[in-house]
Amino acid sequence: AQRVTQPEKLLSVFKGAPVELKCNYSYSGSPELFWYVQYSRQRLQLLLRHISRESIKGFTADLNKGETSFHLKKPFAQEEDSAMYYCALGGSNYKLTFGKGTLLTVNP
Amino acid sequence: KAGVTQTPRYLIKTRGQQVTLSCSPISGHRSVSWYQQTPGQGLQFLFEYFSETQRNKGNFPGRFSGRQFSNSRSEMNVSTLELGDSALYLCASSLEWRGDTGELFFGEGSRLTVL
Repeated sequence: AQRVTQPEKLLSVFKGAPVELKCNYSYSGSPELFWYVQYSRQRLQLLLRHISRESIKGFTADLNKGETSFHLKKPFAQEEDSAMYYCALGGSNYKLTFGKGTLLTVNP
Repeated sequence: KAGVTQTPRYLIKTRGQQVTLSCSPISGHRSVSWYQQTPGQGLQFLFEYFSETQRNKGNFPGRFSGRQFSNSRSEMNVSTLELGDSALYLCASSLEWRGDTGELFFGEGSRLTVL
């Protein structure tokens, strides 16, 4: 079975502070991990994928297969980063399994 | 190019009725997925279609069904509505499942309220 856990429903940080959104997964096969983001009044959209190993909007995420984690990090949070963040797991069965999401608020 | 379009955007039904939701994918996209989004459960997978074939179905009762047409447009139907079916129903499309980028493009959703 595929399962994604995001332990924090809410995360509040100040502008300029580091931020880490946690994601743990359970999957017996070779996982593909994603972070999706939903800004206020916008559609859910892809932020980054583990396979691309790129930094998007200053965010990075490293897949740790030993700890089955895919935490999202940014060294200096900005107010425009305030959004709902979803970690998602893709397998070979044509579906994404999403975590329940973490609402990030970046305070001025 | 135009994004994923879902209609209707909002609808109100009563228990026992049925509802049909429509999704037009991005032009050229052949894979269409449906998700139910609720505050308590988050995003839950309903089904995925490719070339008119359902390739996977989530853990929902048989009252939830879907189909895909030859032009890749998709519909989902919920019969005998229950209060718990109130949710935002999201459609997402991609060229092929996971394709080159693994990216799903989401619509704005159809918000269903069951009274």
